[in-house]
Amino acid sequence: DGGITQSPKYLFRKEGQNVTLSCEQNLNHDAMYWYRQDPGQGLRLIYYSQIVNDFQKGDIAEGYSVSREKKESFPLTVTSAQKNPTAFYLCASSSWTSGTGELFFGEGSRLTVL
Amino acid sequence: AQSVAQPEDQVNVAEGNPLTVKCTYSVSGNPYLFWYVQYPNRGLQFLLKYITGDNLVKGSYGFEAEFNKSQTSFHLKKSSALVSDSALYFCAVCFEGNTGKLIFGQGTTLQVKP
Repeated sequence: DGGITQSPKYLFRKEGQNVTLSCEQNLNHDAMYWYRQDPGQGLRLIYYSQIVNDFQKGDIAEGYSVSREKKESFPLTVTSAQKNPTAFYLCASSSWTSGTGELFFGEGSRLTVL
Repeated sequence: AQSVAQPEDQVNVAEGNPLTVKCTYSVSGNPYLFWYVQYPNRGLQFLLKYITGDNLVKGSYGFEAEFNKSQTSFHLKKSSALVSDSALYFCAVCFEGNTGKLIFGQGTTLQVKP
């Protein structure tokens, strides 16, 4: 089935460690996104990519990094520079050429810093 | 600045009664408007969208929403609530074509009681 796969679903990290969250899609979508969700704050955009080997910062990119080496994959690294990384992270994709903005979301990854 | 507001943190309704989840927006130009639903510890699921055309938009699971340009609103409605509709609902908006910058409201928890 077509969709977006995020892994791991749950992740625990010690302070000072970098962690990488995986996001893979087989929808042949051009655009991919990473959002952070905190209770009562909705979703905030971290990074997005509209094409392979190109990506743009969102509203809260500090302390995060991404790569887009393949159309299907858009991993997010949460670095030790991110001061408050405990959150629910959501990856999404959309067909850029359709231009209608409908996002397809993965099931999310919950990161907890110990 | 572009923004979207969901004025109610929580909406409580009895099963079988009509429900409304409110959303207002502020965006220059023609808005693209969306509703998504999220069940606990899951990703977001697309419900419906307004791009252009009829102000009343019908979506998944019997939900509909009405675009009101003069009131800058896009309220989500259903004529008869189900207990299974209980979830977190997000309104989102972007400026036409700029789907890389979808802005989400903070979310409204819908609680449907038997």
